[in-house]
Amino acid sequence: GQQVMQIPQYQHVQEGEDFTTYCNSSTTLSNIQWYKQRPGGHPVFLIQLVKSGEVKKQKRLTFQFGEAKKNSSLHITATQTTDVGTYFCAGPGGNNRLAFGKGNQVVVIP
Amino acid sequence: GAGVSQSPRYKVAKRGQDVALRCDPISGHVSLFWYQQALGQGPEFLTYFQNEAQLDKSGLPSDRFFAERPEGSVSTLKIQRTQQEDSAVYLCASSAQGPGNTQYFGPGTRLTVL
Repeated sequence: GQQVMQIPQYQHVQEGEDFTTYCNSSTTLSNIQWYKQRPGGHPVFLIQLVKSGEVKKQKRLTFQFGEAKKNSSLHITATQTTDVGTYFCAGPGGNNRLAFGKGNQVVVIP
Repeated sequence: GAGVSQSPRYKVAKRGQDVALRCDPISGHVSLFWYQQALGQGPEFLTYFQNEAQLDKSGLPSDRFFAERPEGSVSTLKIQRTQQEDSAVYLCASSAQGPGNTQYFGPGTRLTVL
């Protein structure tokens, strides 16, 4: 089935700095979804990207879908302590499933 | 409106016991999914329902796992003769239409098998 790989797996980010997390697939994806999971919480949907080269912004978050629809990125500017958590990307996994990556765990240093 | 709810939130079972985990999806959501999330990992697909029909159960790790959604709303995931490796968070998600649509997750049930 479809697999998505995320890098890095862990990030320590100074409050106020920017960071990027990446999601890669070996095959073309029809769409990619991003979720955020706070410590002790459950995944919360952030966004879905469908079009090649698509860029969407949500305040300090910028999501991008690659031209070949094989990779995606999430860039966060001016990191805040509320950005702490694990960011997952997920693509169609075949047979009606979502295939999640292993996530990028982000720790914010005050 | 209410989101996806799951009960119990925490369950401790002795090895060999049977457990039943409940999921109440968002009202009117056609699709319902069960995932298993081990510590430090992403959610892993278990099974998928469209209304009352279980269309995909290929992710269930063994025949000890059984899921049902008899009336197309509430779903139950049952694990028989629990083993220590079953310890994980079990997440339920629902979506309005097919699996490509946004999935809304419940808070999960943390199962610990001693």
